[in-house]
Amino acid sequence: DTEVTQTPKHLVMGMTNKKSLKCEQHMGHRAMYWYKQKAKKPPELMFVYSYEKLSINESVPSRFSPECPNSSLLNLHLHALQPEDSALYLCASSHRGAGPLNEQFFGPGTRLTVL
Amino acid sequence: AQTVTQSQPEMSVQEAETVTLSCTYDTSENNYYLFWYKQPPSRQMILVIRQEAYKQQNATENRFSVNFQKAAKSFSLKISDSQLGDTAMYFCAFMKEGGAQKLVFGQGTRLTINP
Repeated sequence: DTEVTQTPKHLVMGMTNKKSLKCEQHMGHRAMYWYKQKAKKPPELMFVYSYEKLSINESVPSRFSPECPNSSLLNLHLHALQPEDSALYLCASSHRGAGPLNEQFFGPGTRLTVL
Repeated sequence: AQTVTQSQPEMSVQEAETVTLSCTYDTSENNYYLFWYKQPPSRQMILVIRQEAYKQQNATENRFSVNFQKAAKSFSLKISDSQLGDTAMYFCAFMKEGGAQKLVFGQGTRLTINP
């Protein structure tokens, strides 16, 4: 299984809502990533988890709260978002170790719209 | 900090032609990895090809090959015998060596293959 899955595919939420994005992989990868991608722009890293511990936070606002309950699952909890947070949210995973096996596999993304 | 520059926002070629996408990067690291990712209109990011900086030999994957010039910090992608399915946004990306690291993407080149 070389797939990263993300749910939901689309999400529309109001600024006062609380919602969560889910990402799952069964490739035995021990590093997982959240990226944010605005239209016609490259992905920008938000968070990195390594062995279920947060290792990189790219100064993301606290209204985004990541969680890694186990080595296969990655969640992104959303609360009090702003319309400018509307974007495609991509999850990725990779082997934790350095070397040629460190390529990142991406999921299809969740298209988020904040009203 | 690392930066990646793709100087061609858009390119268009006829089917079966060969096309070269340019990428330059800036880093003070000696060991790193370079990638070309493809993001078709369906949006799933797919790895096309990767290059380890310590390898002098240019990477090839079927119709895709790179021209890696470490001293010039250049990493171009050549697509031979282009096909309609190659139509996509192509991102050049840089990653430092060392486990779970962020991918630094260029701005992307939108490639259209015309029938």
